[in-house]
Amino acid sequence: QKEVEQDPGPLSVPEGAIVSLNCTYSNSAFQYFMWYRQYSRKGPELLMYTYSSGNKEDGRFTAQVDKSSKYISLFIRDSQPSDSATYLCAMGLTGGGNKLTFGTGTQLKVEL
Amino acid sequence: SAVISQKPSRDICQRGTSLTIQCQVDSQVTMMFWYRQQPGQSLTLIATANQGSEATYESGFVIDKFPISRPNLTFSTLTVSNMSPEDSSIYLCSTSGRGDNEQFFGPGTRLTVL
Repeated sequence: QKEVEQDPGPLSVPEGAIVSLNCTYSNSAFQYFMWYRQYSRKGPELLMYTYSSGNKEDGRFTAQVDKSSKYISLFIRDSQPSDSATYLCAMGLTGGGNKLTFGTGTQLKVEL
Repeated sequence: SAVISQKPSRDICQRGTSLTIQCQVDSQVTMMFWYRQQPGQSLTLIATANQGSEATYESGFVIDKFPISRPNLTFSTLTVSNMSPEDSSIYLCSTSGRGDNEQFFGPGTRLTVL
């Protein structure tokens, strides 16, 4: 079993839809949770960074962490074609030397 | 966040040769990391490079195959040695940010080994 599981997609949605991207994890010691966006032929871009359980909102993006269920989500409201990318979840430990464990990424396509 | 550049952006190499990838940051950073990204797989950490000390390699990666230099706080190199087609991948460097476990990535080097 992988430490972090992420549905690879592809996920195709119409413009304006609400997108839900999810990751589950097995290591209850993970304390830091991140979402990265990666456009084709580019490096991952840090989108959201959270530490505690609950929600964090930034514009059209909301990151949700449920540590009791070992489940994190990224919601994208009013999705745009420019949101078409691969979304990677990543997790880290306190005192883990800043090492991150990544999901495989979910490929999202927002269609006009 | 720091601005990170990598050279080369892509290369096609012959089996048995070596390639050195450069990573340049526009500000001083404590920790730099090297990752490999293969199709359909998670980003895999190769090693952590701190200035003034030997790189720390993850399980499955060895210094002879992936020697790393970190001569100062803004620069690092990763060499992929004695390449085989299995080394074809995207190689990414990243730097630590202000937050614990926060990392920022460079644009990547796309390597194809024939």
